[in-house]
Amino acid sequence: RKEVEQDPGPFNVPEGATVAFNCTYSNSASQSFFWYRQDCRKEPKLLMSVYSSGNEDGRFTAQLNRASQYISLLIRDSKLSDSATYLCVVKGAGGGNKLTFGTGTQLKVEL
Amino acid sequence: NAGVMQNPRHLVRRRGQEARLRCSPMKGHSHVYWYRQLPEEGLKFMVYLQKENIIDESGMPKERFSAEFPKEGPSILRIQQVVRGDSAAYFCASSPLFKRGEDEQYFGPGTRLTVT
Repeated sequence: RKEVEQDPGPFNVPEGATVAFNCTYSNSASQSFFWYRQDCRKEPKLLMSVYSSGNEDGRFTAQLNRASQYISLLIRDSKLSDSATYLCVVKGAGGGNKLTFGTGTQLKVEL
Repeated sequence: NAGVMQNPRHLVRRRGQEARLRCSPMKGHSHVYWYRQLPEEGLKFMVYLQKENIIDESGMPKERFSAEFPKEGPSILRIQQVVRGDSAAYFCASSPLFKRGEDEQYFGPGTRLTVT
């Protein structure tokens, strides 16, 4: 079983749609959780940290369920510029402070 | 405030040559991480360093790869006797410290290594 699992997609959605991504992680001792986005295999850019209480940043909402070892990202009113690969990232999944990346979910927002 | 800097951005080496990749962390960051992204794959952790110390090298291949972060100057990832399978994007990230909520890692633009 992979340490961090994501649906690879692609998700093709029309502009303005709401889209949700899910992610599961295998190590219950994992410490911190993040969503990054990566455009065309450029550097990953931090989108947001994820907390058990949930957090929201504009059109983006992230949620963590420690009991189910499940992380989600919701994007509302999607824009063409949201097209990217979204990476679910866990810190401390294998112990220590390294980041463990999911393989990413590809999102394509279309007119 | 400059972000994480990496150079060169693109590096071409022939099989058997050495590759040296450099990374300067963000100002105020003292922790450096190296990750590798092979074609069509996700990012994989290689090594975590603080100044003059290797903290975790569990992701480093056992041979030909080494990393350092000297007291002065950038962090260096060194690959000796490169092979075609080393062709990948190498990303460096830095973070300030490990306090919960302040431990995000920020990535540099990467070095694309091509071995011919």
